[in-house]
Amino acid sequence: ILNVEQSPQSLHVQEGDSTNFTCSFPSSNFYALHWYRWETAKSPEALFVMTLNGDEKKKGRISATLNTKEGYSYLYIKGSQPEDSATYLCAPNTDKLIFGTGTRLQVFP
Amino acid sequence: NAGVTQTPKFQVLKTGQSMTLQCAQDMNHEYMSWYRQDPGMGLRLIHYSVGAGITDQGEVPNGYNVSRSTTEDFPLRLLSAAPSQTSVYFCASMHFGTYNSPLHFGNGTRLTVT
Repeated sequence: ILNVEQSPQSLHVQEGDSTNFTCSFPSSNFYALHWYRWETAKSPEALFVMTLNGDEKKKGRISATLNTKEGYSYLYIKGSQPEDSATYLCAPNTDKLIFGTGTRLQVFP
Repeated sequence: NAGVTQTPKFQVLKTGQSMTLQCAQDMNHEYMSWYRQDPGMGLRLIHYSVGAGITDQGEVPNGYNVSRSTTEDFPLRLLSAAPSQTSVYFCASMHFGTYNSPLHFGNGTRLTVT
């Protein structure tokens, strides 16, 4: 079974701080890397799907990069807001999607 | 489009009972999957399917069966419920083969086994 690691496990930041998380995965049999945002008591929602080495994606204050050769992806949040509080999940697509355990972000006003 | 529809939303079972969690999607997605939410473990893959007639095991398949007789439906069967199967279950689907397609999740089924 694929070993997908996310770090840190949890993060507490002040409103306005910028932050970043890491997702590492085995680089073999890789098709794409997915990032999802998961709020408590809701369903996960897709942020990004990246397929190419060196890919960079951006949605508002959130961006992500991908390095398929070394098997990692970074998610960045610029100027965190309380509404960014959620668990952020990554999953490589290797014909199935196995999720990491996530990074739980809490942003305090 | 309704997207991914899961029923029921809530269910309470006694140990040893069986039941089927339903999942349907109207987006003509080839790929469908079932996850369970476990504290500290995130989402764990139970079973998945890349098309009608094709199913495969995920990370935690024991105690669960699936079938995929149509593109739209992917039911999850609990054969003999155990307290360890108390969890929130999510069904998710996506286009398969176009690797930039994201997963679309249902609203979840909260299952309690007593």
